[in-house]
Amino acid sequence: SAVISQKPSRDICQRGTSLTIQCQVDSQVTMMFWYRQQPGQSLTLIATANQGSEATYESGFVIDKFPISRPNLTFSTLTVSNLSPEDSSIYLCSVDKTPYGYTFGSGTRLTVV
Amino acid sequence: GIQVEQSPPDLILQEGANSTLRCNFSDSVNNLQWFHQNPWGQLINLFYIPSGTKQNGRLSATTVATERYSLLYISSSQTTDSGVYFCAVESGYIPTFGRGTSLIVHP
Repeated sequence: SAVISQKPSRDICQRGTSLTIQCQVDSQVTMMFWYRQQPGQSLTLIATANQGSEATYESGFVIDKFPISRPNLTFSTLTVSNLSPEDSSIYLCSVDKTPYGYTFGSGTRLTVV
Repeated sequence: GIQVEQSPPDLILQEGANSTLRCNFSDSVNNLQWFHQNPWGQLINLFYIPSGTKQNGRLSATTVATERYSLLYISSSQTTDSGVYFCAVESGYIPTFGRGTSLIVHP
C-alpha cells in the first residue's frame, strides 16, 4: 500500500489567515482525496484532485475557500483560506491503492483562534 | 447517495472482553474498509473487505455483500484498541464513511 507524508501535523492560526497543507505520496497515484473531520464527527469529502485538471468539489465546498493544487502524480496541497473558528477541524488526504484500499495521511489538526 | 449506518455508536468495555461492531449500507458497493482512528487522529486501515472474511490477530471482519452489512470482531480487547472505528464503503469511486463507533477499553 502507499505511504503518505502529510504536513503540518497541527497548527494554530489566526482568523482571516490561510493554511496550506501538503501531502506527498511514495508512489504515483491518479486521484488524491481531501477530507475534513469536524470535532466529534465523521469524515466529509472536500474534493478529488486529479493531476493536470481542476479539482472536483463536493457540495458545500468551493474552490475560493479550499483551493487545491496537484502539480504531479505524487503531490497535492490543500489551502484553507480566510480562516474562521468554524474551520477548526482535522484535514486528511487520501489515496486509493487498489487492491489495498484507501490509505490516509496522518492528518492536520487545525485550530483557528 | 449511499447510506452507511454503524452500530453501536458508543461502546465501553473492560480489558479482555470481546465485541462486535456492525456496518449496514444501503446499496451495492465495490469496496468496504474498516479503519481505526486513534486518539491522535490518525486513520489506520484495518481491513479491505468487499466480501468474505479476513482475520488479523485479534481482529477479524466479515462482509456479506448480498445482505449489505459488514461486521468487525475484536477479541480480548486491550486499552490500545480505544478510539473510533469507521466503516467506509465505495460505490463508484468515492468512499462514504459511516459515523463511527467510539470504543473505550478500560484496564
